[in-house]
Amino acid sequence: QVQLVESGGDLVKPGGSLRLSCAVSGFSFSDYYMTWIRQAPGKGLEWISYINGRGTTVDYADSVKGRFTISRDNAKNSLYLQMNSLRAEDTAVYFCARGSLYFHHWGQGTLVTVSS
Amino acid sequence: DIQMTQSPSSLSASVGDSVTITCQASQDISNYLNWYQQKPGKAPNLLIYDASHLDAGVPLRFSGSGSGTDFSLTISSLQPEDAATYFCQQFDTLPYSFGQGTNLEIK
Repeated sequence: QVQLVESGGDLVKPGGSLRLSCAVSGFSFSDYYMTWIRQAPGKGLEWISYINGRGTTVDYADSVKGRFTISRDNAKNSLYLQMNSLRAEDTAVYFCARGSLYFHHWGQGTLVTVSS
Repeated sequence: DIQMTQSPSSLSASVGDSVTITCQASQDISNYLNWYQQKPGKAPNLLIYDASHLDAGVPLRFSGSGSGTDFSLTISSLQPEDAATYFCQQFDTLPYSFGQGTNLEIK
């Protein structure tokens, strides 16, 4: 069955960097767009980035543009989010989700805490 | 960016009741709207896509309607397991924004 498993969340100081990973199984990874969505504690959902199947098309929310980079390794069935210049307001659970328009499959999320 | 405004932000209802949650877009999004259910500590679950299409396996008591800027999610004959937070999401224009959520409590 379809599985998405995020990892890499941690406590990091403001200005620091972190790389999140999303390992997938149960489907042909390269056939699908993938999306990162985050949720600050007790808050709503925020779309932050997506990437097409070949990795040639990406887009970002303004809140992370220039600081975050989405990428994928289709040979490893893995999606990544490189997060630089982290701020307190980036504190959230980060979910990876399959697709670009409809999100039928999500990971369980990984918590990123930005605090000194 | 398109703003999605949900109302109410929270509501409480009894088993067997019917409730409606509304979602308003700041501009015309045709029928490019999805609804999700999220329970504490879990990822969201897609309920309705394209404003009115029930996703596979979702109980028939859930229904969606609307187009343009005004949308609604109705849950009829509430069950205890419907206690959750519900979010709308537009996919007309990037960034694909979500509503702020509606917390549904079952009395």
